[in-house]
Order: sequence, then C-alpha cells, then structure tokens
Amino acid sequence: GAVVSQHPSRVICKSGTSVKIECRSLDFQATTMFWYRQFPKQSLMLMATSNEGSKATYEQGVEKDKFLINHASLTLSTLTVTSAHPEDSSFYICSARVAAGTSGTDTQYFGPGTRLTVL
Amino acid sequence: GNSVTQMEGPVTLSEEAFLTINCTYTATGYPSLFWYVQYPGEGLQLLLKATKADDKGSNKGFEATYRKETTSFHLEKGSVQVSDSAVYFCALSSYSSASKIIFGSGTRLSIRP
Repeated sequence: GAVVSQHPSRVICKSGTSVKIECRSLDFQATTMFWYRQFPKQSLMLMATSNEGSKATYEQGVEKDKFLINHASLTLSTLTVTSAHPEDSSFYICSARVAAGTSGTDTQYFGPGTRLTVL
Repeated sequence: GNSVTQMEGPVTLSEEAFLTINCTYTATGYPSLFWYVQYPGEGLQLLLKATKADDKGSNKGFEATYRKETTSFHLEKGSVQVSDSAVYFCALSSYSSASKIIFGSGTRLSIRP
C-alpha cells in the first residue's frame, strides 16, 4: 500500500528557532498533501493544503507566515514552523492524497507524525 | 456544512467482547466515509472505507456499513483483542468539501485482557 514518511519523528527546540518537518510519499506521487495538527487527546485539525508547484492553501485562523509550506516535488512537502514558541508544541501529521481511480474516490494516506516540543 | 459526530469515549471492554462505535454524519452530496485508527504515538492508518450507500467496508475483523437513510457509518467488531486498543476516528470526504477529510472527535478504545 501507499506509504508516507515524516522526518523527524520527534524534535525539541528552543523558543525562537525554526523547525522544518518533511513529508514524503515513498512509493507514489502526490500532487496534493495536507498538514494537520493534533493536540493531546483531540482530533486532527487541518492546517493547510499543499499543492505541488503552487502556493499552499491555509485554513482559516492558520498563520501562513508562521507555518511555511513548500511542495517542491511530487513526493516531498515541507512544513517549517518559524520562530517557534511553546504554544506551537504539538503533534504534526501530514497526509498525501492518491487520486481517485476505479474506486471513484480519493484516499489520503497519513504519515506517522512529528512531535514538536518547544522549550 | 459537512460534519461527523461519533460517540465519546473512552470505551473500555474486555477481550473478546463485541464492539460498536457509533458514527453519524451530515453532508451535502454523496460523501465517502472512512474509519481511521491511531495507535499510541503514531499517525493515522486507514482502517476501512465505503464510497456509496449500502457499501460495507471491512478490514482486520472490523466492518462498517454506509447507511444513507440513517446517515450512519457505525464501526463494529465481533471479538476485540488487546491489540485493538487505540483511538478510532470516523471521517468523511466529499467533492463539496474539496475532498478534504473531515474528522470526528475520535473515540479512545481500551481493551482489558
């Protein structure tokens, strides 16, 4: 099946620094990837839709200058948390969309997540 | 707008018990419905899906039937195992939501040996 990886799996950084998280589709190409944020014991909140070769589309309330998204190739999207602060500590999950085939519906495959802790 | 409502947890069962996690949805058009599972410290895995009314998705002993008349997609398993302990998310996707996935709040399931 389709595999999505994320790197790093866990990162601890100091307040004010920037952190980059990579999301890769390993055995398929994804023109669209999604970035989610998950707080402890809560559901996933969609942050933005990342489209290969164009600007990301951010959900309402998500600061695009804070969370920079780059989708440079069909297998890689990156999320950079700029000037991170403790309130940015969270579990960040990406997904890659596989376009509808004979099933007639798109399917998203999720990465294992990146736990960010900002001290 | 589109939304998903699932039963609140946590749900605690003994091994080999029967499991039902209720899920209902509100959507325009004809959404696809999904159940995702999240094991501790991991991302989400697609457990099963159904793309049209009366479809039954099944995987690993779990199953769910797309019921358009009751707008439901309840997850069931006849005999749960300790390894099924995880958080389960019901979700939908539709063209009216630009194929974005809308998740329910998640239900934490704990299975006692």
